[in-house]
Amino acid sequence: EAQVTQNPRYLITVTGKKLTVTCSQNMNHEYMSWYRQDPGLGLRQIYYSMNVEVTDKGDVPEGYKVSRKEKRNFPLILESPSPNQTSLYFCASSLHQAAQSFFGQGTRLTVV
Amino acid sequence: ILNVEQSPQSLHVQEGDSTNFTCSFPSSNFYALHWYRWETAKSPEALFVMTLNGDEKKKGRISATLNTKEGYSYLYIKGSQPEDSATYLCASLSGGYQKVTFGTGTKLQVIP
Repeated sequence: EAQVTQNPRYLITVTGKKLTVTCSQNMNHEYMSWYRQDPGLGLRQIYYSMNVEVTDKGDVPEGYKVSRKEKRNFPLILESPSPNQTSLYFCASSLHQAAQSFFGQGTRLTVV
Repeated sequence: ILNVEQSPQSLHVQEGDSTNFTCSFPSSNFYALHWYRWETAKSPEALFVMTLNGDEKKKGRISATLNTKEGYSYLYIKGSQPEDSATYLCASLSGGYQKVTFGTGTKLQVIP
């Protein structure tokens, strides 16, 4: 089954404790991206990747890192999480940047 | 228009009514427009990808039109059903054709 898998689905952590949210797709898609969803603000793009080893900043990259060592995986890294990073996060992939995106199930992160 | 804007923010209609909502986006350097349907507690699902001025797409009772010169797209739902209740998102791809900008969505509730 074609899918984008994110883990974990829910995470509560403390300020400053490094964490990684994993994202994996099985559709051989080139384009992957991370979004955060906050009330009243819509989905905002954090980082995107056009292909392996090619990543770039979206609209809200501060406080986040990503890597794309393999085509299928695109982890989101928070080196030192802060409470303002409490949000709902989505990973998405598409064949190329203009094609429709397939979204993961979402990760609800709370930083206390 | 600098951002992607959707109107109305929310909408209540009776079952059987037809409805439509608007997505406005920057018309300069336009590349593609996406529509997504997002049900509560689920992930966004792609409805349409539109690229050409004058494009019209249809999927069952849902259709969409695109005007790239003036920077707007309409989504129409004919004979709304309770299962159409969801938030409808549009996303614009422009500029360097790599970043995706989402609107804040139109939340539709269909009353049986």
